[in-house]
Amino acid sequence: RKEVEQDPGPFNVPEGATVAFNCTYSNSASQSFFWYRQDCRKEPKLLMSVYSSGNEDGRFTAQLNRASQYISLLIRDSKLSDSATYLCVVTYTGGFKTIFGAGTRLFVKA
Amino acid sequence: DTGVSQDPRHKITKRGQNVTFRCDPISEHNRLYWYRQTLGQGPEFLTYFQNEAQLEKSRLLSDRFSAERPKGSFSTLEIQRTEQGDSAMYLCASSKTGGDSPLHFGNGTRLTVT
Repeated sequence: RKEVEQDPGPFNVPEGATVAFNCTYSNSASQSFFWYRQDCRKEPKLLMSVYSSGNEDGRFTAQLNRASQYISLLIRDSKLSDSATYLCVVTYTGGFKTIFGAGTRLFVKA
Repeated sequence: DTGVSQDPRHKITKRGQNVTFRCDPISEHNRLYWYRQTLGQGPEFLTYFQNEAQLEKSRLLSDRFSAERPKGSFSTLEIQRTEQGDSAMYLCASSKTGGDSPLHFGNGTRLTVT
């Protein structure tokens, strides 16, 4: 079993749609959680950190459920520019062991 | 802050040759990471430095791979006797100390072994 698992998609949604991605992690000692965005043939870039209380950044909302070892990302009012791969990221062991999921591909169409 | 810099951006080599990649992290970051990414997969952890000390090395890393960070600043990743299976994007990232410090990635070095 992979340490961080994501639905690979792809998710094909129209502009303006709301879409949600899920991620599960296996190590209960996991400490910090992030969502990264990766455009085709580019490096991953931090989208947002994920906090236990849940957090929002504009159209993006991240949730963490430590009991179920589950992270989610909600994108509201999807834009064409949101088309990318979204990577779920988990860190543990003092923060240096950082594990990436395989990513979920999103295509937003006009 | 000029970001994480990697060199070269692309490398094409013949099987059996040695290659070396360089990474310059963000200057105030003391943690440096190497990852490998193939098509359709997320980045796979290879190794990690805290300052000049290499603290962890993935089991994915065979003896043909070696990484250094001699003065706690830039790092090099060397692959000896390259194989076609080594073809991938090699990503370097850096971060500050602390579990909640996110990684900042360089543009990567795309290696093609023919």
